[in-house]
Amino acid sequence: EPEVTQTPSHQVTQMGQEVILRCVPISNHLYFYWYRQILGQKVEFLVSFYNNEISEKSEIFDDQFSVERPDGSNFTLKIRSTKLEDSAMYFCASSEGKGGSYEQYFGPGTRLTVT
Amino acid sequence: GIQVEQSPPDLILQEGANSTLRCNFSDSVNNLQWFHQNPWGQLINLFYIPSGTKQNGRLSATTVATERYSLLYISSSQTTDSGVYFCAVEFWEYGNKLVFGAGTILRVKS
Repeated sequence: EPEVTQTPSHQVTQMGQEVILRCVPISNHLYFYWYRQILGQKVEFLVSFYNNEISEKSEIFDDQFSVERPDGSNFTLKIRSTKLEDSAMYFCASSEGKGGSYEQYFGPGTRLTVT
Repeated sequence: GIQVEQSPPDLILQEGANSTLRCNFSDSVNNLQWFHQNPWGQLINLFYIPSGTKQNGRLSATTVATERYSLLYISSSQTTDSGVYFCAVEFWEYGNKLVFGAGTILRVKS
């Protein structure tokens, strides 16, 4: 069964450094998402992406964050100048279509620790 | 505003017991999904269920969209069922994103 994959599974970085989290969505899917979960809290939407541009973003997704689909398979989340409060689990998801009858499939997550 | 509320927040079961988890949502929905978060933090898709009833082994789910709730049933619980169960909803008028509830923490004791 096709699945969303994410690398690395765990990333440790120092405050102020840049990190890139990588995702490979399911191959025939068109919509891609990033969510994050701070330890002990709810999962929160960050951004959705379609046709090589941001479709929607949350208030959390400020200028520190960017997303890119650098080739036909990868989808990346870049966090510039990381802060301690960026420590969280980051989930990538993908869906065949938008809204309506399309399930979102989640990857296993990348645990980001900022020290 | 839009809300996704889950109950109970915590649940402790003896192995073999049955349980019902509830998700209430505040508005019309396009999509509703149930997830199990395992001890490693991974979100496991359980059900995609914007309406109707589905079953998968010992788990089943029902969504009554007109009454704005969904139920997840776990029968004959096992210790491996422990973890956090999340309901996530995509609302008609709130864009193409899932809004997660706060979760139900389930602990199954042997």
